Amino acid sequence: AQTVTQSQPEMSVQEAETVTLSCTYDTSESDYYLFWYKQPPSRQMILVIRQEAYKQQNATENRFSVNFQKAAKSFSLKISDSQLGDAAMYFCAYRSDNYNQGGKLIFGQGTELSVKP
Amino acid sequence: KAGVTQTPRYLIKTRGQQVTLSCSPISGHRSVSWYQQTPGQGLQFLFEYFSETQRNKGNFPGRFSGRQFSNSRSEMNVSTLELGDSALYLCASTGGYVLSTDTQYFGPGTRLTVL
Repeated sequence: AQTVTQSQPEMSVQEAETVTLSCTYDTSESDYYLFWYKQPPSRQMILVIRQEAYKQQNATENRFSVNFQKAAKSFSLKISDSQLGDAAMYFCAYRSDNYNQGGKLIFGQGTELSVKP
Repeated sequence: KAGVTQTPRYLIKTRGQQVTLSCSPISGHRSVSWYQQTPGQGLQFLFEYFSETQRNKGNFPGRFSGRQFSNSRSEMNVSTLELGDSALYLCASTGGYVLSTDTQYFGPGTRLTVL
């Protein structure tokens, strides 16, 4: 069975600075997808970024980028130029490429990010 | 396009009752997944429906069930409610056809409190 681990329950960053959130996962599959979701106090889950395991290039979305290390099964999220609106719970998630698994997401426990003005 | 909608947003029930939650996916999406979020267990997958068929199921007791209608709207039902069923229930929709390009979009959730 696949598992996702986020070892940092809480992180803090100064506004305009850079912060990196860690995520490791365990799987025996070679094809899969990884995601970072953001959940602000409103509880609305928002997709931040996604990475296909077959792509060696790290995904980037504006101020958000990932460091995907497939061999190490590591998938960290870097937030540059942090803004107050980035404060939220961040979840790392895994999805299999197996059709029978469908859209099932396996989530980590989350990292609560606070941004200090 | 309208996003994923969930009704009701808040619900209070007592132990032993049953409850039905509803989820309307983004127009054109055929897959709906349900998740339970609690402080202790985090986010856990309940089940997924695609084209009115359950495609995958998580490790939850049989009290948790769901279905999907021909318009892709989905309902989940919890019978004989227990205190531990208090949670935020999230649904997510996706196209469901091509997993390689699918991304799940979440609704705002239904907050269920069992007294």
